[in-house]
Amino acid sequence: AAGVIQSPRHLIKEKRETATLKCYPIPRHDTVYWYQQGPGQDPQFLISFYEKMQSDKGSIPDRFSAQQFSDYHSELNMSSLELGDSALYFCASSLGTSGVADTQYFGPGTRLTVL
Amino acid sequence: SQKIEQNSEALNIQEGKTATLTCNYTNYSPAYLQWYRQDPGRGPVFLLLIRENEKEKRKERLKVTFDTTLKQSLFHITASQPADSATYLCALPSARQLTFGSGTQLTVLP
Repeated sequence: AAGVIQSPRHLIKEKRETATLKCYPIPRHDTVYWYQQGPGQDPQFLISFYEKMQSDKGSIPDRFSAQQFSDYHSELNMSSLELGDSALYFCASSLGTSGVADTQYFGPGTRLTVL
Repeated sequence: SQKIEQNSEALNIQEGKTATLTCNYTNYSPAYLQWYRQDPGRGPVFLLLIRENEKEKRKERLKVTFDTTLKQSLFHITASQPADSATYLCALPSARQLTFGSGTQLTVLP
């Protein structure tokens, strides 16, 4: 069965650079979520999209932005990167009912390292 | 504020025994609760969802209970195997997002 695809799997950036993470949800899933997981931490919700509209916002820094495109894939744009942004970034997708959180299927993650 | 607590950061048990993990929450009235498994460097994998009107749910060697009065869920793995070693996260819905507990790292010793 098709799973959530994330690219790239690994990314190394310098401080103050910009990074773009991509997420391709499971086909027919209409909701995408982004999470950040630091070392030894639980996943922290950043932002979600339902039917291409932002549906909920968590602890996403102002330096980050995201969007969901017409084909339902999503991109997380991160600017002015800081050392503390080094983490695993997970994308998850679900088949939402009116955008209500339900079973989420996670991608393999993108490991971002900021030097 | 809403809070989710999972018992002990780490739990070691002997192969073949039953592992019991606890998830307690406060300031929530969730319609359901979910359990996920996470292996190092990988994304969480959905295991079970239990709704507020369900007391117990089973899937193969897994059993989850949900007590909305105690605000607690118990997650059991029977006949545990070394391959069950992982971090187990409980998660509760809040609007259109999930909030995860800090997880319990389970190690099943051969």
